[in-house]
Amino acid sequence: GAVVSQHPSWVICKSGTSVKIECRSLDFQATTMFWYRQFPKQSLMLMATSNEGSKATYEQGVEKDKFLINHASLTLSTLTVTSAHPEDSSFYICSAKSGGLTDTQYFGPGTRLTVL
Amino acid sequence: AQSVTQLDSQVPVFEEAPVELRCNYSSSVSVYLFWYVQYPNQGLQLLLKYLSGSTLVKGINGFEAEFNKSQTSFHLRKPSVHISDTAEYFCAVGGYQKVTFGTGTKLQVIP
Repeated sequence: GAVVSQHPSWVICKSGTSVKIECRSLDFQATTMFWYRQFPKQSLMLMATSNEGSKATYEQGVEKDKFLINHASLTLSTLTVTSAHPEDSSFYICSAKSGGLTDTQYFGPGTRLTVL
Repeated sequence: AQSVTQLDSQVPVFEEAPVELRCNYSSSVSVYLFWYVQYPNQGLQLLLKYLSGSTLVKGINGFEAEFNKSQTSFHLRKPSVHISDTAEYFCAVGGYQKVTFGTGTKLQVIP
């Protein structure tokens, strides 16, 4: 089956620093990648959708200048949390799909971000 | 617009007993439905999906779900649960590009 990896799996950083999270599709080309945020005991909230080579589409309420998304290749997307604050602490999950409307999204294992 | 309702936040069940996790959806476009499982501190794994065709969908780990258009439901079932099924289960509805997730149901299998 399709595999999506995320790196790092967990990160602790100081308030005010920036953190980059990578999402890679290991055995397929991901035309579309998604970034989600999951708060404790809650569901996944879609943050943004990115298509390779174009700007990400952000969901309402998500600050695009704070959560920078780059999808430079068909196998890699990055999420950079800029000037992180404690309230940005969360579980960030990416997913990727290769085809059209009905194609399955394959999820990465998630990255636990803790901002001190 | 699309939305998913998972009425039960937690479902305790004894090992080897059957279980049903409920999911109701609404969507103004064609309906694609999914069930995902999430183990602690991990990402989501697809259990099964309904795109079209037979309304009874079989997935991995012995799970199955039935699409009921008139009741706008997509309940997940397993005839006999194992301890290893303890996890959180998310129902999701997909439309153009976007997938909307329910709030999840935590399945607790009691030995």
